[in-house]
This record gives sequence, structure tokens and C-alpha cells, in this order.
Amino acid sequence: EVQLVQSGAEVKKPGESLKISCKGSGYTFGSHWIGWVRQMPGKGLEWMGIIYPGDSDTRYSPSFQGQVTISADKSISTAYLQWSSLKASDTAIYYCARQVYGMDVWGQGTTVSVSS
Amino acid sequence: IQLTQSPSSLSASVGDRVTITCRASQAISTYLGWYQQKPGKAPKLLIYAASTLQSGVPSRFSGSGSGTDFTLTISSLQPEDIATYYCQQLNSYRPLTFGGGTKVEIK
Repeated sequence: EVQLVQSGAEVKKPGESLKISCKGSGYTFGSHWIGWVRQMPGKGLEWMGIIYPGDSDTRYSPSFQGQVTISADKSISTAYLQWSSLKASDTAIYYCARQVYGMDVWGQGTTVSVSS
Repeated sequence: IQLTQSPSSLSASVGDRVTITCRASQAISTYLGWYQQKPGKAPKLLIYAASTLQSGVPSRFSGSGSGTDFTLTISSLQPEDIATYYCQQLNSYRPLTFGGGTKVEIK
């Protein structure tokens, strides 16, 4: 079964750093793009960026460029989303998804809560 | 590329035909997908390439359109179709914008 499993919920303070993960299984992880999507409380979906684990080619939405870093380690079939200094406005659910023709396989989501 | 969905919400009866539209700010050929998101769940891909049904998706869902105007149709609304629906442009990673969403409720 093709699946993406994300790391657990995080509670952080403003200014802290964070790295969340997305582990793929059931397919050749390095051969398909992985994207990240933000969903703020009660709001819609926002596409953040995408990475090709095979060569780490990465593209960002202008809205998120410089705000987050997307990376991957194909040897352990895992993609990452990280922040160097969290803000309260980063509070959201973050999803990873495999990008083929559309985002066809999704992780379960990681809830990130940032509060002082 | 901006995507504008309409309506933002709708209420329909079981068995009704439901239509959701998505308009792109510039032509994207058929590079469009549709997703269903139920409360507390991750989104699910319903349709890609504007009209191709993802494997396992019921045939009451269909998509059409090309260029700037697209439509998602549910031919006979079922109680399990209560969800928010999103379109997404898939025309290169510049970025892969989502529409604002359409919340579907049962009347």
C-alpha cells in the first residue's frame, strides 16, 4: 500500500525552530515529487512548495519562500518541512502529499501550535 | 495563477445534481484537479487533468472544462458527499494554487 506517514503534533513557542517529517512507503520515494500544503484553522488549502527527492530539486510558492525550508533524504524515504523561527501565525495543519497527476496520496497531517 | 471557485457554499437535497465552478486567471489547458476534504481529514483527489476520474472515486463525480473555466459535477448528491471541495491548478510549479473552496451541505 502506498502511504505517507507524518510526524506527530507539535506545541512550540514563538522563536523556536521545528522540523516535521513525512515518510513514504509502498513506492519508489525518489521518483515522485512531494508537496507540502498548509491549512490554517478554519481556512482553505495553501500550496507551500514541492521537492523531488531523487535530486532534491525544490520549488517554493512565493508566499512561503524564505519562511520555510523543504528538504528530503531519499535513503530513508523521508521529506521534511522546517522553520528556523516560528511565529504564532504558523499555527496550522501541515500536509505532505505525493504529486503525480494531482496530489494523489496524502499524509494524515501534522498539527503545529505556536503560542507563548 | 489565481483560481476563483463559486459558490463558496451550497445546500442541496439528497439526489440533487450539484455543480461547482472554478475559474483560472489565465489559461491552464486541462491542468486542473479537484479534491474533496471531509472535516478532520486530509484532502482526497477526485479528478485530475480536468476530467479524469481518480481510481476508486464514484462515477457520480465528473469534471469538465479547459482553458480558464472548469466544472465539478456530482450527478446525484449523497449524504457521504458532505465536504468542502477544492480545485487546484497543475500547470507547472508556479505555484500549484488552490481555489478558495466550496462547502457542500445537505438541505
